Amino acid sequence: AQSVAQPEDQVNVAEGNPLTVKCTYSVSGNPYLFWYVQYPNRGLQFLLKYITGDNLVKGSYGFEAEFNKSQTSFHLKKPSALVSDSALYFCAVRDRNAGNMLTFGGGTRLMVKP
Amino acid sequence: GAGVSQSPRYKVTKRGQDVALRCDPISGHVSLYWYRQALGQGPEFLTYFNYEAQQDKSGLPNDRFSAERPEGSISTLTIQRTEQRDSAMYRCASSLRTSGGAGNEQFFGPGTRLTVL
Repeated sequence: AQSVAQPEDQVNVAEGNPLTVKCTYSVSGNPYLFWYVQYPNRGLQFLLKYITGDNLVKGSYGFEAEFNKSQTSFHLKKPSALVSDSALYFCAVRDRNAGNMLTFGGGTRLMVKP
Repeated sequence: GAGVSQSPRYKVTKRGQDVALRCDPISGHVSLYWYRQALGQGPEFLTYFNYEAQQDKSGLPNDRFSAERPEGSISTLTIQRTEQRDSAMYRCASSLRTSGGAGNEQFFGPGTRLTVL
């Protein structure tokens, strides 16, 4: 079975400060890892993915995430937060050897204050 | 280009009625997925198709739920004899390929919010 944990329901950060949204995962095999963002009344938007290779993955809107195999983590980061980054963020995992289904975490609400 | 579309966007029905939710994937995408998302939670997998073949339906909660994709494009998720606990956002996604690194990210539609009274 595969699972994802997002330990923080909400993250608050001031505009211009760096942000981190945490994600840890559990899979029996090797993972594909994803971050999605959900704005109010909108669908899930793909941000970035880790497939293989470089552990630091860069995605849309200046976001990046670092894959850490030993800690089974895939934290989302951004050097300088914008108020417009405020949204709900979901981490997801897919086991390479266990079909195409994504397993999502419970989501973390990011609030960026001006 | 056009993304994944879903219809209706909102559906209110009475307990015991059947509902059909439609998903139109991105043109050329091979795989199509259905998820259900309760308020304040992440999406949960229901089922998925490669082309017209249903590959995995392990997430369907019971036999009142079914899905089809007869021509490998548009898909319909049907819920028979709806119950209040079926109320949720139903999301559809599609991906270009079935597996592998490149092209396997899933692109989501806006969802159908189902309310069962």
